[in-house]
Amino acid sequence: DIQMTQSPSSLSASVGDRVTITCRASQVISNSLAWFQQKPGKAPKSLIYAASSLQSGVPLRFSGSGSGTDFTLTISSLQPEDFATYYCQQYNSYPLTFGGGTKVEIK
Amino acid sequence: QVQLVQSGAEVKKPGASVKVSCKASGYIFSNYGISWVRQAPGQGLEWMGWISVYNGNTNYAQKFQDRVTMTTDTSTTTAYMQLRSLTSDDTAVYYCAREKPSSGKDYWGQGTLVTVSS
Repeated sequence: DIQMTQSPSSLSASVGDRVTITCRASQVISNSLAWFQQKPGKAPKSLIYAASSLQSGVPLRFSGSGSGTDFTLTISSLQPEDFATYYCQQYNSYPLTFGGGTKVEIK
Repeated sequence: QVQLVQSGAEVKKPGASVKVSCKASGYIFSNYGISWVRQAPGQGLEWMGWISVYNGNTNYAQKFQDRVTMTTDTSTTTAYMQLRSLTSDDTAVYYCAREKPSSGKDYWGQGTLVTVSS
């Protein structure tokens, strides 16, 4: 199975900050990488697919990059509604696997 | 608009089975697959498996291989996930998500809480 390692596991940031979350795959997954946002008590929301393509309706302050084994999710200017937990997931091969999550908290 | 609406919360005893439904609307059901993902209390997301609505092919996580069955009913555009031999470790919120193998998940259901308790 492909292991997905996210870092950091949590971070504190202020509104307006630039935030970067990294995700590393244990083997090459091309660009088959998705990012999700989850708020407490809610279903995950899909943000990015194919490492860098935004899902419809996702604000442009979210961006993704990377290929191979190393990926990043960047929020260019953190907004109050962005405080949540973020997960990466590879869909290059079965079983599909998620990273452990990164909780973004208010500083 | 695309919607995935799941069935309501369930309480089950250890050893029982549960069947969660996921009613799809707003798109051509057979053009996408459905993945099932669960989340235990306070934990991360765990992929359980995927079913192709087009041909019924499935791919299950090894962990659930022996006790999960995923099906679809194209006449009602509904996907189902049945999990057998429940234990307390199966207490979790179960999500369905629309998915294409080439582009991953885009829409999610609201989740179904399954509680396993004696």
